[in-house]
Amino acid sequence: SQQGEEDPQALSIQEGENATMNCSYKTSINNLQWYRQNSGRGLVHLILIRSNEREKHSGRLRVTLDTSKKSSSLLITASRAADTASYFCATENTGNQFYFGTGTSLTVIP
Amino acid sequence: DVKVTQSSRYLVKRTGEKVFLECVQDMDHENMFWYRQDPGLGLRLIYFSYDVKMKEKGDIPEGYSVSREKKERFSLILESASTNQTSMYLCASSSPGRGNTEAFFGQGTRLTVV
Repeated sequence: SQQGEEDPQALSIQEGENATMNCSYKTSINNLQWYRQNSGRGLVHLILIRSNEREKHSGRLRVTLDTSKKSSSLLITASRAADTASYFCATENTGNQFYFGTGTSLTVIP
Repeated sequence: DVKVTQSSRYLVKRTGEKVFLECVQDMDHENMFWYRQDPGLGLRLIYFSYDVKMKEKGDIPEGYSVSREKKERFSLILESASTNQTSMYLCASSSPGRGNTEAFFGQGTRLTVV
């Protein structure tokens, strides 16, 4: 299986705090992406980082990538109750297939 | 507005039935995917198609088949549904370009096999 893993499985924080979730993957990649899923819905793309990049920012999101360790992290700063969702990392391999991690369930308490 | 549409949000089928899950995208994407999502297991790739009539197995193809007769439509077929195929099924599409693209998802079909 090329599926990755995420850590932690679940995270609960207070509004205004930062949330960090980690992802490990197994294979060579073109890029790594993070997605968000609200309960019972499809996934929505958040941010993409290429294999030759180490860090990327988008609004309150910060993503890092360490290809030597095959790992990535997603930081959400100044969290809001509306950030409550599941977050998944996905790797796009050289065959243009997407493999997703197991997900982190984030709860932001108002 | 780009869109991936799955034919049903909720579906209940009996064991042994042949089940078709349909997915249509309006973005002229070359690649289409079927995943199943189960608690604690994340999304697992069932099948992938990179062109009309072309398909590749993902991590868990057993018990499933797919059909892609037209570029915009990708169907997942459960030849004989079983209770262990009760799950959320997600369809996605993408356009590979130079390999730095995102996947667009449908809203999901929650299938229950009784």
